Amino acid sequence: NAGVTQTPKFQVLKTGQSMTLQCAQDMNHNSMYWYRQDPGMGLRLIYYSASEGTTDKGEVPNGYNVSRLNKREFSLRLESAAPSQTSVYFCASSVRDPHYEQYFGPGTRLTVT
Amino acid sequence: KQEVTQIPAALSVPEGENLVLNCSFTDSAIYNLQWFRQDPGKGLTSLLLIQSSQREQTSGRLNASLDKSSGRSTLYIAASQPGDSATYLCAAPNQGGKLIFGQGTELSVKP
Repeated sequence: NAGVTQTPKFQVLKTGQSMTLQCAQDMNHNSMYWYRQDPGMGLRLIYYSASEGTTDKGEVPNGYNVSRLNKREFSLRLESAAPSQTSVYFCASSVRDPHYEQYFGPGTRLTVT
Repeated sequence: KQEVTQIPAALSVPEGENLVLNCSFTDSAIYNLQWFRQDPGKGLTSLLLIQSSQREQTSGRLNASLDKSSGRSTLYIAASQPGDSATYLCAAPNQGGKLIFGQGTELSVKP
C-alpha cells in the first residue's frame, strides 16, 4: 500500500517558470489537501478538495491553481513561480473532510531562484 | 480564529525518560485533535487522533490527552528512545473544519 505519493521529490525553477506538482492516493479517500511548510510559519493550507469534482481555497491560495483529476489524483500548479514560493509542499488525504485522520505524502522540496 | 501553540519549541532528554509535549488551542469548539511526527526531510506521520468525546487515546508508548475546556492537549511519551527523536506537531481544526498546525516541538533523545 503506497498511501500518498508525490512527484517530483525536488525541483528547482527560475522565476516565471511554471510547473505542476502531482499527488496520488490509493486509500480510496474522498478529501485531499495541499499544504506548504515554511520555517517559522509552520504548515499552511493552500487548497483542498472535499470530494471529487470540488476544490476550495485554503489560507494561502494566491499564485496557485489545483485540479482534482479524479478521486485518486490532486495536482497543484504554479503558473509563474516566484521566490516566495520556495517551500516544501505536502499533499494529504483523508476519508472525508473534516472529521477523519489526515495522511501525508513525503513532500516536494521546491526552490525558485 | 483558531490558533495552535506548542511549548517548548525544542526539548532534549536522556534516553529512558518519560516526557510530556504540550499543545494549546484557542477555539475549544473542536471535534478532534491530531498529533503528528515529522522526521527531518520527511512527511508527517499521524500518531494519534483524539475525538472531542474522548479524553485520552493510546498507541504503544504514546498517550495523548485532550481537555477542551482548558484548550489543551498533551502527548506523553513513556520510556523515551533515541528513535523517538523527531519534531512533533499537533493540529486542531478551525471553524471551517480545516487543520491549523502548531509550530512543533523538536525532540532530541540522547543515548
